[in-house]
Amino acid sequence: AQSVAQPEDQVNVAEGNPLTVKCTYSVSGNPYLFWYVQYPNRGLQFLLKYITGDNLVKGSYGFEAEFNKSQTSFHLKKPSALVSDSALYFCAVSEVSGGYNKLIFGAGTRLAVHP
Amino acid sequence: DADVTQTPRNRITKTGKRIMLECSQTKGHDRMYWYRQDPGLGLRLIYYSFDVKDINKGEISDGYSVSRQAQAKFSLSLESAIPNQTALYFCATSDTTASSYNEQFFGPGTRLTVL
Repeated sequence: AQSVAQPEDQVNVAEGNPLTVKCTYSVSGNPYLFWYVQYPNRGLQFLLKYITGDNLVKGSYGFEAEFNKSQTSFHLKKPSALVSDSALYFCAVSEVSGGYNKLIFGAGTRLAVHP
Repeated sequence: DADVTQTPRNRITKTGKRIMLECSQTKGHDRMYWYRQDPGLGLRLIYYSFDVKDINKGEISDGYSVSRQAQAKFSLSLESAIPNQTALYFCATSDTTASSYNEQFFGPGTRLTVL
């Protein structure tokens, strides 16, 4: 079965500094990987996804993610953090079984950006 | 995502009561999902439906049932609510095309408290 792990419950970053939110995955077959963000009292919003091709994926709000096959990682990054980036971030992998596909989510990482 | 709506947004109920959570979407997607979110556990899939006549159990379907009344509507019922069903519930949709790696679009969530 597919799975993702987010090893950090919380990441603290000063505004203006680069940020990284970590994700590792375990899949059989090709990995289709996603990042979502959840702001307080809101649903999840799609940030970016990796399907194939370039290992550096660019997404919304200046975020990007680096796919690393040898390390089975898909870390979310941003060169310069904003206070408004403070939110809960989820990594997910698409699982295909019996003709159905589902998203398997990690436990989430809370990002706190301090002024 | 404003194209996916959930009602009610908040609900407090008592143990043993029947509760229905409703989801509607205007995105024209065939696929709809129900998740629950618990702190530290991420999102877990309850049920999913790939068209009106197709309903499937997710990883935590016990104690829940669903109804796909139309392509645009997908309801989640708790026949006899219990306190450990207190959680944040999300509805999501996705497109059928290139389905293995299509992102899902989430509603704003329903916060359910069972006393």
